[in-house]
Formats: sequence, C-alpha cells, structure tokens
Amino acid sequence: NAGVMQNPRHLVRRRGQEARLRCSPMKGHSHVYWYRQLPEEGLKFMVYLQKENIIDESGMPKERFSAEFPKEGPSILRIQQVVRGDSAAYFCASSQSAGSSYEQYFGPGTRLTVT
Amino acid sequence: QQQVKQSPQSLIVQKGGISIINCAYENTAFDYFPWYQQFPGKGPALLIAIRPDVSEKKEGRFTISFNKSAKQFSLHIMDSQPGDSATYFCAASAETSGSRLTFGEGTQLTVNP
Repeated sequence: NAGVMQNPRHLVRRRGQEARLRCSPMKGHSHVYWYRQLPEEGLKFMVYLQKENIIDESGMPKERFSAEFPKEGPSILRIQQVVRGDSAAYFCASSQSAGSSYEQYFGPGTRLTVT
Repeated sequence: QQQVKQSPQSLIVQKGGISIINCAYENTAFDYFPWYQQFPGKGPALLIAIRPDVSEKKEGRFTISFNKSAKQFSLHIMDSQPGDSATYFCAASAETSGSRLTFGEGTQLTVNP
C-alpha cells in the first residue's frame, strides 16, 4: 500500500500526558500537511512541512503543539500536556510538491482521546 | 476572508435522485477547488476538483459547477446511490498560500434505498 500512513490509529492519553502522532507520506511525496477535525466539524489546517523545514504553521496553537519532518523518518505532530479540548481526529496529507497543481492525499487519521 | 461556507449541513435523498451541495468563498486568491468524500472512521478521499478557468467538470456521476463571479461552486451527484452516503467537504486553496486547504463545514448525505 503506497498511500499515506498514520499511526497510531487510536490514541488515549490522560490529561497532562504527551501525544505523538506519526505520518509517513506517499512514496515520492516530500510535502506534508496536518489537519485537525473536531467532532462534527470540518478539517482545520494546522501546519505545512517539507523535509526538515516548517513552511507554514499559522494554524497551529502557539503552545504545547509542535511538528517536525526530519530528513529520515515520518513527520511527527507532538502535543505536550494534553487537555480534553485536544480530543479530535488528526489527519495528515501529502503532496508531490507545493502549489495547487498538486493534489493532497489524506491518511486514515489518528483519533486522539484525552481522558 | 479565508472561510468557505458550505450548505446544507445535512441532506437526505432517495436512491436515483440528484444530490446538490453548495459552497461559497470570499478569498479571490483561491485557485483550486476540490471536493472530498469521507466515510465514518476514514480519512477524506479526493473526489473531484476544479480550477477557476472552467465552469463545469464532470467525472462519472459527479459534476462540479463553478461560478467565478458569484464566488460559488457546487457538487452534483446524479443517480445517487446508498453507497454515496457519506460526509462531503468542499475545500479551496491558493497557490500563494502554499496550497493549504480551507475546508467547508461538511454535508452529511444520506441516500435512502
């Protein structure tokens, strides 16, 4: 399966713990986008990364959230000291290049539950 | 200015009928308008997309109509089937914004057999 892979698919964390979400883009794709979907809502952009660079983090909360896309390995979205309001589905998408000529393909998502 | 407004929130259609979902946008820099289909527990899947240089695009039973002057676009699903029951999201992006997608709120479509 050459699609976008995300793991874990489900993650339960207690308030105050850290959550690490991983995303492996499609083969040949070097651009990764993270989106968050709150229950009964649409997807909201969080951050856009290329290999080793954060290009646009305008949608990411200023505190507790960080993202990286190292030269080797998957992209990681990290949420420190999780709170109940962080409970959501987190999706990553990948594209071959930047620009609206290139389609974004989504992974299956990680569903984070904070208890 | 970055918002995309989608309606209706939910839609019930009989098998064989036409499903119509509408979206409106404000940002004139948007130059790419995809529609995504999402089943429960799954990620969004690209269904069909259009660029503002054409007014209509058809792929099988799915058609996008685009009105640049009104800043509106819509998805038409012809001969709707129960298997089309899903949540549909319109989205928009701009080349100048690194192509991050701005999504509508979603439409939950139910096609009754």
